[in-house]
Amino acid sequence: AQTVTQSQPEMSVQEAETVTLSCTYDTSESDYYLFWYKQPPSRQMILVIRQEAYKQQNATENRFSVNFQKAAKSFSLKISDSQLGDAAMYFCAPRDDKIIFGKGTRLHILP
Amino acid sequence: GAGVSQSPRYKVTKRGQDVALRCDPISGHVSLYWYRQALGQGPEFLTYFNYEAQQDKSGLPNDRFSAERPEGSISTLTIQRTEQRDSAMYRCASSQWSGTEAFFGQGTRLTVV
Repeated sequence: AQTVTQSQPEMSVQEAETVTLSCTYDTSESDYYLFWYKQPPSRQMILVIRQEAYKQQNATENRFSVNFQKAAKSFSLKISDSQLGDAAMYFCAPRDDKIIFGKGTRLHILP
Repeated sequence: GAGVSQSPRYKVTKRGQDVALRCDPISGHVSLYWYRQALGQGPEFLTYFNYEAQQDKSGLPNDRFSAERPEGSISTLTIQRTEQRDSAMYRCASSQWSGTEAFFGQGTRLTVV
């Protein structure tokens, strides 16, 4: 991937509500992978979810799911039933040969 | 090892000194990445290796930065003649062959004074 754009620097969501984080990217490859990582205040990097570009079915992982639109090069993350522990920076990271990260979206959870 | 290990965790150095940052990836992982991360920003790609071969070093800021992975396992990122603008968190990650996610180390926080 050459570029990754996360257009929402910060977002807030009420606890138990649903929020969607957006990501667009640019790649010349047809076969690649996409990841969302979470970085809490501890600054650990934690994998949230992964998607193979050749799969049409959107990945889901418990409360986390993606909306992958290959033609539009869009890869959004939906968090359902938001919890206080979801508060973190979220990074979109496409991978063709190397993994490139977006600038991130800081997610606040409002009690 | 069980996870990606980076050392030292913290490094304070005087401007003009050379520093070497070490990364010990997960055993058996083919790919190894170096990133630099400023506070509140995403990891910025520096370079990566498959086995011992450096595949891409396009993210290295200038020729003061270099990296090696001579035996396809442990890697060292070296910064020569450090400058204050080099201060950042340097993160290493490793992954199996293509298609799998990268596992990150805890990072080395470098401060140049």
